[in-house]
Amino acid sequence: EVQLLESGGGLVQPGGSLRVSCAVSGFTFTYYAMSWVRQAPGKGLEWVSSIIGNGSSTYYGDSVKGRFTISRDTSKNTLYLQMKSLRAEDTAVYYCAKVLLRGTGLDYWGQGTLVTVSS
Amino acid sequence: QSALTQPASVSGSPGQSITISCTGTSSDVGGYNYVSWYQQHPGKAPKLMIYDVTNRPSGVSNRFSGSKSGNTASLTISGLQAEDEADYYCISYTSSTTWVFGGGTKLTVL
Repeated sequence: EVQLLESGGGLVQPGGSLRVSCAVSGFTFTYYAMSWVRQAPGKGLEWVSSIIGNGSSTYYGDSVKGRFTISRDTSKNTLYLQMKSLRAEDTAVYYCAKVLLRGTGLDYWGQGTLVTVSS
Repeated sequence: QSALTQPASVSGSPGQSITISCTGTSSDVGGYNYVSWYQQHPGKAPKLMIYDVTNRPSGVSNRFSGSKSGNTASLTISGLQAEDEADYYCISYTSSTTWVFGGGTKLTVL
């Protein structure tokens, strides 16, 4: 059974840093691209970042480029999102999601972890 | 990159068909066959309903179908059921090697 479990969310002050993690199981992690998608309270979905299976290519949305870093540790079957210079507008539930092997949809999602940026 | 344009809300009665549009530009929706649709119930993670414009993942009802014409993609739900009431989001690949979501559409089953 495919499972994705996010962790590491919490309250952080503006300008601070935080790393959220996504532990995966039930599939061969290195075969699949992975993505982070966020949702601010009461708002729509926003694509944040993606990383290909071997980790050699990464992609970022304009609102987080230069501040967030996506990475993966295949030995731990874990996806990460390192967030720096956090702003109030980064407050959201952060979801990790697995990309289809053949196709571009996100077929499995975690339950999300809430990041709150506030003083 | 501007968000794709979706209607804020649509509604239909049980058994009817509805269509949700997703309008972009030639740099996203119109330029690639990489449009997906997601269903999200309150408090839940999104669920993939359609990928690459027309493809339905295993386990998704064949009442859901996708299409595209020019810069506009569409999600059609036929035989509307109460459980279909949810928020729906489209997303497209862009020429900037990024992805952009639509603003979301709230579907109400009357």
